[in-house]
Amino acid sequence: SQQGEEDPQALSIQEGENATMNCSYKTSINNLQWYRQNSGRGLVHLILIRSNEREKHSGRLRVTLDTSKKSSSLLITASRAADTASYFCATYQGGSEKLVFGKGTKLTVNP
Amino acid sequence: DTAVSQTPKYLVTQMGNDKSIKCEQNLGHDTMYWYKQDSKKFLKIMFSYNNKELIINETVPNRFSPKSPDKAHLNLHINSLELGDSAVYFCASSPEGRRGEQFFGPGTRLTVL
Repeated sequence: SQQGEEDPQALSIQEGENATMNCSYKTSINNLQWYRQNSGRGLVHLILIRSNEREKHSGRLRVTLDTSKKSSSLLITASRAADTASYFCATYQGGSEKLVFGKGTKLTVNP
Repeated sequence: DTAVSQTPKYLVTQMGNDKSIKCEQNLGHDTMYWYKQDSKKFLKIMFSYNNKELIINETVPNRFSPKSPDKAHLNLHINSLELGDSAVYFCASSPEGRRGEQFFGPGTRLTVL
């Protein structure tokens, strides 16, 4: 069953603008991860935030986690054309080793 | 150096054929996975092996059989291919027990005609 749901499904912005993507999940988690997938490529891990963390930064990426609302957001600041990709959140379902992905947000950054 | 590699990158075949996809990781990880990504980009786990032992086996037709000759390799064999098997198949690996990040291969695009 699907754990994460991202929104929006698609986002189109201009270079230099910020992009925000949201993810909601259903069960308890011990961490939440964000991945990027460029067209025709495999997924690349971006950032992992643990359930006891509220915010994490990595370069131009900022991730927040609200476990009370079972939601997370990914903010990409000062976007570049190279950020054009699909972005997925993923969580391990319950106590299992099974990583469950959301449907993804397709981000287009126009030069 | 490629961390997780898959071969072939593209596979076009006729319905009813049997085919295999190979995966190798040189990261020293204990756990490997197969995922299927459909045309809507939805990614779903199929199998997971930990040190050559099957630990996750989702509801996948038994025409799909994973084989792990050693912990660095996880191959996927598909019998009697059907049109609905057309998808991109990704191999991934992770260190054991961390429930951390996974490292993905570049994918194999399978097209069944």
